[in-house]
Amino acid sequence: DAGVIQSPRHEVTEMGQEVTLRCKPISGHNSLFWYRQTMMRGLELLIYFNNNVPIDDSGMPEDRFSAKMPNASFSTLKIQPSEPRDSAVYFCASSSWTGFNEQFFGPGTRLTVL
Amino acid sequence: AQSVTQLGSHVSVSEGALVLLRCNYSSSVPPYLFWYVQYPNQGLQLLLKYTTGATLVKGINGFEAEFKKSETSFHLTKPSAHMSDAAEYFCAVTLGTPGANSKLTFGKGITLSVRP
Repeated sequence: DAGVIQSPRHEVTEMGQEVTLRCKPISGHNSLFWYRQTMMRGLELLIYFNNNVPIDDSGMPEDRFSAKMPNASFSTLKIQPSEPRDSAVYFCASSSWTGFNEQFFGPGTRLTVL
Repeated sequence: AQSVTQLGSHVSVSEGALVLLRCNYSSSVPPYLFWYVQYPNQGLQLLLKYTTGATLVKGINGFEAEFKKSETSFHLTKPSAHMSDAAEYFCAVTLGTPGANSKLTFGKGITLSVRP
């Protein structure tokens, strides 16, 4: 299995621009998670989906952030408009309900907003 | 609600020395417990997990952890540190039932440094 795939791996953009991060979970997994990691705040859960349905988005920092999961094999996290304080590493993870809830993480997208 | 406490943010050991990273949890129901490792510029990787059964669990790279219900602890140990163990380590807890309640609660993480 290829594992969780994220793209792009690195993104540099200017303040005010729209940013879209993409994630392909492991095939057959039921849950998908988006995290943000910074030095100051550590690892934060932004939102998670069960069977493509958003369950908990309480970690989404502002309305500028939105996430979708149109099908079982694809999810996006969008920031519009982006701000310098959004600079972070964004991780996607997935898990299977037939396992023990362990999450498998992607390599992350390092976002820099200038 | 569940929570995880990892005391301290940084541990430094000499190569060959014992590694001990502490984790205490709070859960209203029997939990599943995890340790993840994050090497520089990489995603989190599962080291080991406790679900049910034997309370001493072994993971990759010589690490092990013991679930102690009476102490609500799940400390991570390795008898002899190697330079390649330098990384950030996260303890995590979730409800002890497989299925839809699969959200993990992570601790703040501990950075392990290994001195030559």
